[in-house]
Amino acid sequence: GDSVTQTEGQVTVSESKSLIINCTYSTTSIAYPNLFWYVRYPGEGLQLLLKVITAGQKGSSRGFEATYNKETTSFHLQKASVQESDSAVYYCALGEAQTGFASALTFGSGTKVIVLP
Amino acid sequence: DPKIIQKPKYLVAVTGSEKILICEQYLGHNAMYWYRQSAKKPLEFMFSYSYQKLMDNQTASSRFQPQSSKKNHLDLQITALKPDDSATYFCASSQDWGRDEQYFGPGTRLTVL
Repeated sequence: GDSVTQTEGQVTVSESKSLIINCTYSTTSIAYPNLFWYVRYPGEGLQLLLKVITAGQKGSSRGFEATYNKETTSFHLQKASVQESDSAVYYCALGEAQTGFASALTFGSGTKVIVLP
Repeated sequence: DPKIIQKPKYLVAVTGSEKILICEQYLGHNAMYWYRQSAKKPLEFMFSYSYQKLMDNQTASSRFQPQSSKKNHLDLQITALKPDDSATYFCASSQDWGRDEQYFGPGTRLTVL
């Protein structure tokens, strides 16, 4: 089956510092899945942060970036300078994409990010 | 305004009882989904619906039954509740079935005592 492994638990970082959340994936059903980062702010539902469907491409949104690396099967999320408002839980996810579409997303366990002022 | 409404936000039930989790989406989407997140586990896909028809079911237990009375509604009925059913249940939707850009609701946290 498919699986996603990301930085476990909680990451605490000071405002204006850099952040990286590691994500690696494994899939037996499709060579090049679609990859996503979702974010969940306190009291809200998951929101799509960024998506990359082509290996080697980089996605970016709200200052966050992630590059789809098929050699290392990784999709790490990075931000050069975080703000308090980035405090949230971040989820890496994989979607099967034989036809470019997928109905079921496979999620990592989530990484809680706390940004200290 | 919230585009995907889930009710209730919190739910406490006793073992053996039955509960219905409500989900309504106002995004004009044709497909809806249910996911579950148990403590310290990743979100797990449960069901997908397209135009009120079941498309995919990855839930082993028949105690979980989706119900779609309207295209923008997908409720989840859970019968004979067990403590292991305690989790946060997320509803999601997408424009069409299989489209990756799924939009999620805030979740219903269910606790079974």
